[in-house]
Amino acid sequence: EAQVTQNPRYLITVTGKKLTVTCSQNMNHEYMSWYRQDPGLGLRQIYYSMNVEVTDKGDVPEGYKVSRKEKRNFPLILESPSPNQTSLYFCASSLWGKNTEAFFGQGTRLTVV
Amino acid sequence: GESVGLHLPTLSVQEGDNSIINCAYSNSASDYFIWYKQESGKGPQFIIDIRSNMDKRQGQRVTVLLNKTVKHLSLQIAATQPGDSAVYFCAEVPPGGKLIFGQGTTLQVKP
Repeated sequence: EAQVTQNPRYLITVTGKKLTVTCSQNMNHEYMSWYRQDPGLGLRQIYYSMNVEVTDKGDVPEGYKVSRKEKRNFPLILESPSPNQTSLYFCASSLWGKNTEAFFGQGTRLTVV
Repeated sequence: GESVGLHLPTLSVQEGDNSIINCAYSNSASDYFIWYKQESGKGPQFIIDIRSNMDKRQGQRVTVLLNKTVKHLSLQIAATQPGDSAVYFCAEVPPGGKLIFGQGTTLQVKP
Protein backbone atom coordinates (compact mmCIF):
# COMPACT_ATOMS: atom_id res chain seq x y z
CA GLU A 1 0.00 0.00 0.00
CA ALA A 2 1.30 3.43 -1.00
CA GLN A 3 1.76 5.51 2.09
CA VAL A 4 3.65 8.12 4.05
CA THR A 5 4.44 7.02 7.59
CA GLN A 6 5.27 9.39 10.41
CA ASN A 7 6.42 8.53 13.90
CA PRO A 8 5.54 9.19 16.59
CA ARG A 9 1.87 10.13 16.24
CA TYR A 10 1.87 11.92 19.59
CA LEU A 11 4.74 13.39 21.57
CA ILE A 12 4.97 15.49 24.71
CA THR A 13 8.40 16.83 25.49
CA VAL A 14 10.12 19.51 27.54
CA THR A 15 11.72 22.71 26.33
CA GLY A 16 15.24 22.20 25.04
CA LYS A 17 15.19 18.43 24.70
CA LYS A 18 16.20 17.46 21.18
CA LEU A 19 13.72 15.35 19.26
CA THR A 20 13.31 13.80 15.82
CA VAL A 21 10.09 13.04 13.99
CA THR A 22 10.61 10.43 11.32
CA CYS A 23 8.93 10.31 7.92
CA SER A 24 9.15 7.52 5.39
CA GLN A 25 7.45 7.00 2.02
CA ASN A 26 7.30 3.91 -0.14
CA MET A 27 6.34 5.51 -3.46
CA ASN A 28 9.82 6.41 -4.70
CA HIS A 29 8.84 10.09 -4.69
CA GLU A 30 11.54 12.66 -5.23
CA TYR A 31 9.80 15.50 -3.42
CA MET A 32 9.18 15.47 0.32
CA SER A 33 8.17 18.24 2.65
CA TRP A 34 7.20 19.06 6.21
CA TYR A 35 4.28 21.24 7.24
CA ARG A 36 2.96 22.48 10.51
CA GLN A 37 -0.73 23.09 11.00
CA ASP A 38 -1.97 25.62 13.52
CA PRO A 39 -5.50 26.92 14.16
CA GLY A 40 -6.27 29.89 11.95
CA LEU A 41 -2.97 29.60 10.09
CA GLY A 42 -3.58 26.56 7.92
CA LEU A 43 -0.73 24.45 6.60
CA ARG A 44 2.66 26.15 6.49
CA GLN A 45 5.68 24.58 4.88
CA ILE A 46 8.73 24.18 7.11
CA TYR A 47 11.29 22.52 4.82
CA TYR A 48 11.23 20.62 1.59
CA SER A 49 13.53 18.37 -0.38
CA MET A 50 13.56 17.89 -4.13
CA ASN A 51 15.79 14.83 -3.97
CA VAL A 52 18.46 13.08 -1.96
CA GLU A 53 20.90 15.52 -0.33
CA VAL A 54 18.86 18.49 -1.59
CA THR A 55 16.90 20.39 1.05
CA ASP A 56 15.56 23.92 1.21
CA LYS A 57 13.74 26.20 3.58
CA GLY A 58 10.02 26.62 3.36
CA ASP A 59 8.00 29.44 4.88
CA VAL A 60 8.68 28.77 8.58
CA PRO A 61 12.07 27.01 8.91
CA GLU A 62 13.32 28.65 12.13
CA GLY A 63 14.00 26.14 14.89
CA TYR A 64 13.91 23.11 12.58
CA LYS A 65 16.39 21.00 10.66
CA VAL A 66 15.90 18.23 8.13
CA SER A 67 18.05 15.72 6.32
CA ARG A 68 17.59 13.64 3.18
CA LYS A 69 20.24 10.94 3.14
CA GLU A 70 17.94 8.43 1.47
CA LYS A 71 15.10 8.96 -0.96
CA ARG A 72 12.47 7.36 1.24
CA ASN A 73 13.26 9.13 4.55
CA PHE A 74 12.95 12.77 5.53
CA PRO A 75 13.28 13.27 9.30
CA LEU A 76 12.38 16.54 11.00
CA ILE A 77 14.73 17.55 13.80
CA LEU A 78 14.05 20.01 16.58
CA GLU A 79 17.42 20.67 18.22
CA SER A 80 16.00 22.73 21.08
CA PRO A 81 12.22 22.65 21.06
CA SER A 82 10.28 25.59 22.45
CA PRO A 83 6.60 25.90 23.40
CA ASN A 84 5.83 27.85 20.20
CA GLN A 85 6.66 24.69 18.29
CA THR A 86 3.67 22.97 19.82
CA SER A 87 1.71 22.06 16.72
CA LEU A 88 0.42 19.35 14.42
CA TYR A 89 3.08 18.29 11.92
CA PHE A 90 2.58 16.62 8.57
CA CYS A 91 5.05 15.05 6.22
CA ALA A 92 4.15 14.84 2.54
CA SER A 93 5.65 13.36 -0.60
CA SER A 94 5.01 13.69 -4.31
CA LEU A 95 6.58 13.24 -7.71
CA TRP A 96 8.72 16.26 -8.50
CA GLY A 97 8.17 18.28 -11.63
CA LYS A 98 4.90 16.56 -12.46
CA ASN A 99 1.47 17.85 -11.63
CA THR A 100 0.39 15.16 -9.23
CA GLU A 101 -1.01 15.38 -5.78
CA ALA A 102 0.99 15.22 -2.58
CA PHE A 103 0.41 12.29 -0.24
CA PHE A 104 0.31 13.14 3.45
CA GLY A 105 1.22 11.21 6.54
CA GLN A 106 -1.18 10.85 9.44
CA GLY A 107 0.35 13.68 11.41
CA THR A 108 2.37 14.08 14.59
CA ARG A 109 0.85 16.00 17.46
CA LEU A 110 3.74 17.65 19.32
CA THR A 111 3.40 19.40 22.67
CA VAL A 112 6.39 21.24 24.13
CA VAL A 113 6.02 22.19 27.78
CA GLY B 1 -24.98 25.74 1.14
CA GLU B 2 -22.07 27.87 -0.04
CA SER B 3 -18.94 29.30 1.54
CA VAL B 4 -16.49 31.88 0.41
CA GLY B 5 -13.52 29.95 1.72
CA LEU B 6 -11.18 32.35 3.42
CA HIS B 7 -13.98 34.66 4.59
CA LEU B 8 -16.43 32.04 5.87
CA PRO B 9 -14.38 29.25 7.44
CA THR B 10 -17.37 27.09 8.42
CA LEU B 11 -20.12 25.83 6.15
CA SER B 12 -23.14 24.05 7.62
CA VAL B 13 -25.42 22.05 5.32
CA GLN B 14 -28.28 19.64 5.68
CA GLU B 15 -27.66 16.03 4.78
CA GLY B 16 -28.70 15.46 1.18
CA ASP B 17 -28.18 19.06 0.10
CA ASN B 18 -25.43 20.13 -2.26
CA SER B 19 -22.38 21.92 -0.84
CA ILE B 20 -20.22 24.50 -2.54
CA ILE B 21 -16.86 25.37 -1.04
CA ASN B 22 -15.02 28.31 -2.53
CA CYS B 23 -11.38 29.24 -2.69
CA ALA B 24 -9.53 32.26 -4.02
CA TYR B 25 -6.00 31.47 -5.13
CA SER B 26 -3.14 33.89 -5.28
CA ASN B 27 -0.85 33.19 -8.21
CA SER B 28 -2.14 33.75 -11.74
CA ALA B 29 0.71 31.54 -13.02
CA SER B 30 -0.48 28.51 -11.04
CA ASP B 31 -1.26 25.72 -13.47
CA TYR B 32 -2.46 22.92 -11.23
CA PHE B 33 -5.00 22.89 -8.43
CA ILE B 34 -5.99 20.29 -5.87
CA TRP B 35 -8.73 19.88 -3.31
CA TYR B 36 -7.91 18.01 -0.13
CA LYS B 37 -10.19 16.70 2.59
CA GLN B 38 -8.93 16.48 6.15
CA GLU B 39 -10.93 14.50 8.66
CA SER B 40 -10.37 14.91 12.36
CA GLY B 41 -7.14 13.25 13.47
CA LYS B 42 -5.97 12.48 9.93
CA GLY B 43 -3.73 13.96 7.31
CA PRO B 44 -5.12 15.72 4.22
CA GLN B 45 -6.37 13.34 1.55
CA PHE B 46 -6.62 14.04 -2.15
CA ILE B 47 -10.15 14.51 -3.48
CA ILE B 48 -9.86 15.89 -6.99
CA ASP B 49 -7.53 17.98 -9.10
CA ILE B 50 -7.76 20.19 -12.15
CA ARG B 51 -5.21 21.60 -14.56
CA SER B 52 -5.32 25.17 -15.75
CA ASN B 53 -6.33 24.19 -19.28
CA MET B 54 -9.68 22.99 -17.93
CA ASP B 55 -12.68 24.80 -16.46
CA LYS B 56 -14.44 21.86 -14.89
CA ARG B 57 -13.68 18.36 -13.75
CA GLN B 58 -16.04 15.82 -12.27
CA GLY B 59 -15.46 12.96 -9.93
CA GLN B 60 -17.77 10.80 -7.91
CA ARG B 61 -20.22 13.25 -6.29
CA VAL B 62 -17.62 16.03 -6.54
CA THR B 63 -17.03 18.66 -9.18
CA VAL B 64 -14.26 21.23 -9.28
CA LEU B 65 -14.72 24.48 -11.19
CA LEU B 66 -11.87 26.76 -12.13
CA ASN B 67 -12.26 30.40 -13.11
CA LYS B 68 -8.85 31.71 -14.06
CA THR B 69 -10.15 35.18 -14.85
CA VAL B 70 -10.92 35.87 -11.21
CA LYS B 71 -8.53 33.26 -9.73
CA HIS B 72 -11.34 31.30 -8.16
CA LEU B 73 -11.74 27.62 -7.49
CA SER B 74 -14.81 25.84 -6.13
CA LEU B 75 -15.61 22.35 -4.95
CA GLN B 76 -19.17 21.13 -5.31
CA ILE B 77 -20.30 18.10 -3.36
CA ALA B 78 -23.57 16.56 -4.45
CA ALA B 79 -25.98 15.00 -1.94
CA THR B 80 -23.77 15.79 1.03
CA GLN B 81 -23.45 12.98 3.55
CA PRO B 82 -22.37 12.94 7.22
CA GLY B 83 -19.11 11.32 6.11
CA ASP B 84 -18.31 14.46 4.14
CA SER B 85 -17.89 16.43 7.38
CA ALA B 86 -14.27 17.58 7.39
CA VAL B 87 -12.00 20.51 6.66
CA TYR B 88 -11.49 21.12 2.95
CA PHE B 89 -8.35 22.77 1.61
CA CYS B 90 -7.66 24.04 -1.84
CA ALA B 91 -4.06 24.07 -3.01
CA GLU B 92 -2.47 25.76 -5.99
CA VAL B 93 0.76 24.75 -7.66
CA PRO B 94 2.62 27.56 -9.43
CA PRO B 95 5.60 26.92 -11.72
CA GLY B 96 8.30 25.48 -9.49
CA GLY B 97 5.99 22.87 -8.04
CA LYS B 98 5.50 24.13 -4.49
CA LEU B 99 2.05 23.54 -3.06
CA ILE B 100 0.36 26.64 -1.63
CA PHE B 101 -2.58 25.85 0.62
CA GLY B 102 -5.62 27.93 1.36
CA GLN B 103 -6.78 28.36 4.96
CA GLY B 104 -9.40 25.66 4.79
CA THR B 105 -13.18 25.52 5.19
CA THR B 106 -14.91 23.36 7.76
CA LEU B 107 -17.93 21.53 6.37
CA GLN B 108 -20.51 20.44 8.93
CA VAL B 109 -23.28 18.15 7.75
CA LYS B 110 -26.44 18.16 9.82
CA PRO B 111 -28.40 14.90 9.83
